[in-house]
Amino acid sequence: AQKITQTQPGMFVQEKEAVTLDCTYDTSDPSYGLFWYKQPSSGEMIFLIYQGSYDQQNATEGRYSLNFQKARKSANLVISASQLGDSAMYFCAMREGHFGNEKLTFGTGTRLTIIP
Amino acid sequence: ETGVTQTPRHLVMGMTNKKSLKCEQHLGHNAMYWYKQSAKKPLELMFVYSLEERVENNSVPSRFSPECPNSSHLFLHLHTLQPEDSALYLCASSPATGVYNEQFFGPGTRLTVL
Repeated sequence: AQKITQTQPGMFVQEKEAVTLDCTYDTSDPSYGLFWYKQPSSGEMIFLIYQGSYDQQNATEGRYSLNFQKARKSANLVISASQLGDSAMYFCAMREGHFGNEKLTFGTGTRLTIIP
Repeated sequence: ETGVTQTPRHLVMGMTNKKSLKCEQHLGHNAMYWYKQSAKKPLELMFVYSLEERVENNSVPSRFSPECPNSSHLFLHLHTLQPEDSALYLCASSPATGVYNEQFFGPGTRLTVL
């Protein structure tokens, strides 16, 4: 089974609208972390937001929020008021395991295109 | 210079060549990583170094040889590569290895093996 599943290979969204990027994960480890990264065409991966498995509240960072539904094993990224500069690849990732024996798994990504 | 830098940004090599990729981080981090990003495949973690000690090697073929001489520099030595090794190679660093640490990535080296 896939550890991280991103079912949307591509999305087109009108500027200023909100967008939700889907991510589901699979783990039996009770302690894990979920990350979202953005990769513009320039190549570097940019950290956006982190959610720990024991965090009681959904993570937020500016226009980014993470809709964490633990029972459903989903960690969707919500971008409010999208901007042209949000056009990029977005990757969901999960870190599981303990110090010295950790695994970090990335999804295949979603290409987001913001339309003016 | 700040952040994570990688050189060269683009590399074309033949299967019999030997080349090295270089990564440098100016963030004072203690952990560094090599990733391989192939088209339409998830990002693959190749190697992890923490305080210059290799802590993870995800079954990477021996034609890839990492080196971490100090906490600021990480190299990936390449020899007798195959065309399927063509990919974007990303370096990253983090304050320490650990479940809660975000990673800071470099811009990558686009490698083409002929």
